[in-house]
Amino acid sequence: DTAVSQTPKYLVTQMGNDKSIKCEQNLGHDTMYWYKQDSKKFLKIMFSYNNKELIINETVPNRFSPKSPDKAHLNLHINSLELGDSAVYFCASSQVLGTGYGYTFGSGTRLTVV
Amino acid sequence: GENVEQHPSTLSVQEGDSAVIKCTYSDSASNYFPWYKQELGKRPQLIIDIRSNVGEKKDQRIAVTLNKTAKHFSLHITETQPEDSAVYFCAALPNQAGTALIFGKGTTLSVSS
Repeated sequence: DTAVSQTPKYLVTQMGNDKSIKCEQNLGHDTMYWYKQDSKKFLKIMFSYNNKELIINETVPNRFSPKSPDKAHLNLHINSLELGDSAVYFCASSQVLGTGYGYTFGSGTRLTVV
Repeated sequence: GENVEQHPSTLSVQEGDSAVIKCTYSDSASNYFPWYKQELGKRPQLIIDIRSNVGEKKDQRIAVTLNKTAKHFSLHITETQPEDSAVYFCAALPNQAGTALIFGKGTTLSVSS
């Protein structure tokens, strides 16, 4: 069983469209994150949720809206996609906020905006 | 907030040589320092970590050292093999509520046989 799973794995879409990426973890972790990895491989934190509550919201355009229906799921919705949104988006989870225990990444979603 | 600097950005070694990657962090309150390995097209995977109350940790061919005074930590890989070729990331976890791992910019390690 995959511990942190993301869908879809690849997403190609046109500028201006709206798209969603889904993430689920079966580790029983309390905290989930979204990271963006750009073409230079830099991993940047975007959001974190702890027990469905938004904890971190870095400087991210408000076109990006995370949603956590329960603590096992964290989805990312992106409105009005732009070319600069092209990147790999990684979901991650950890056991307890602020400890780093069990920090585990999903397999990533490669988003290409054309 | 926390800032993590990582050097070098690329590193090429011969099989069997040692490789060292260095990171510095800015927040003296950070207390957890993991290292991740990311192979091409794959997810980052934890290879070793160290907490602020420990100076050194070793796991077979890899070791991590931490100097809290200087705010830097290093990854050491001995007897490198071609399968060690990947991008390596250091990270730091600030010791404050509601934090996430802050990553360095990565080091691309190439091991040639």
